[in-house]
Formats: sequence, C-alpha cells, structure tokens
Amino acid sequence: GAVVSQHPSRVICKSGTSVKIECRSLDFQATTMFWYRQFPKQSLMLMATSNEGSKATYEQGVEKDKFLINHASLTLSTLTVTSAHPEDSSFYICSATRTGGYTFGSGTRLTVV
Amino acid sequence: AQSVSQHNHHVILSEAASLELGCNYSYGGTVNLFWYVQYPGQHLQLLLKYFSGDPLVKGIKGFEAEFIKSKFSFNLRKPSVQWSDTAEYFCAVNANPMDSSYKLIFGSGTRLLVRP
Repeated sequence: GAVVSQHPSRVICKSGTSVKIECRSLDFQATTMFWYRQFPKQSLMLMATSNEGSKATYEQGVEKDKFLINHASLTLSTLTVTSAHPEDSSFYICSATRTGGYTFGSGTRLTVV
Repeated sequence: AQSVSQHNHHVILSEAASLELGCNYSYGGTVNLFWYVQYPGQHLQLLLKYFSGDPLVKGIKGFEAEFIKSKFSFNLRKPSVQWSDTAEYFCAVNANPMDSSYKLIFGSGTRLLVRP
C-alpha cells in the first residue's frame, strides 16, 4: 500500500533556530501534499497545501515566512520552521494524496526549548 | 463557515458496549467523507470512507458509518467495542470531491477509552 515517510520523528531545537521536516511518498508520486499541525489533545489543523513545482497555498492565519514549504519533486515535500519559538512546539503531520485517498506520515514532534 | 463537528469529545465505554460517534459537516455540496483512527503514539489510519453509492459504509476492524445526506451526518458505529479500540477518532471531509487532491478538513476528534 501507499506509504508516506516523515522524518525526523522527534526533534528538539533551541529557540531561534530553524528545523526542516521531510515528507516522502515512498511508492507513489504525490503532486499534492498537505501539512497539518496537531496540538495536544486537539485535532489536525491544516497549515498548507503543497503542490509540486509551485508555491504552497497557506491556510488563513499561517505565517508563510515562518513555515516554509518546498515541494521540489513528486515524492518530497519539506516544511521548514524558521526562527522557531517555544509556541511552535507541536506535532506536525504530512499527508500525500493519490486517487481515492490520503496517506499520512507518522508525524514529527517538535520541541523548541 | 464550513466546518466538521464531532460532538463527543470524550467517550468511555466498557468492552462489548456499542459505539456511535457523531460527525456533522456544514458543506452544502457533494462531499467525500472519511473516518480516521489514531492509536496512542501512532499515525492516522483510515477506517473507512464514503464517496458515493450505498450510504452504509463498512470499514476495517468491524467499524461502519452511515451517510445521511439530509442530516449532513456521517456517524461512526461499532456494535461491540474492544479494549484495543481505545484511540482517538477523527472525522474528515473533502469538500471538493471532483478533486481527489483537495484538502481534508478534520473534526476536533473523539477520544475513546474502552475499559476492560
């Protein structure tokens, strides 16, 4: 079946630094990927839609300069949290689509100290 | 505003009890509907989905859901829960089913605890 690999699974970074999270579709091509953020005991909030070869579409209220998304190939999208602050600590999940469904990565727990 | 609502935030059941989790959406047109489960420490897994056809959809692990268009609802059911069903359950909607790459919007989730 379709597999989406997300890396790293956990990361701790210092405040003010940047962190890159990778999302790869392993056995299929994904022209579209999505990035979600999940706060503890809350639902997944869509941050942005990542389209291969074009700019990402951000949801209202998401800072595009802070959460940089690059979708350079049909199997890879990256989310870079720039100048991270403790309030950016969260669980980030990517999802890739293909006909008839969505496959989710295992998530990245970001802790900013 | 368009939204997905899950009214039960926390549900506690004993094993063998029946389960029904509510999901309502506010999109007016045709939608694709999904239920996902997230076990502790694991990623989201698809339980079932509705695109068209029979409004009663059967999924994995004995789950089913019924799409009632007039009520804008897609409730999840299981006749007899097991301790292993303890997890968080999310309803999700694709409000543009002509585009299979359209974004999914999630409900707030329901945390289910099944007591042995």
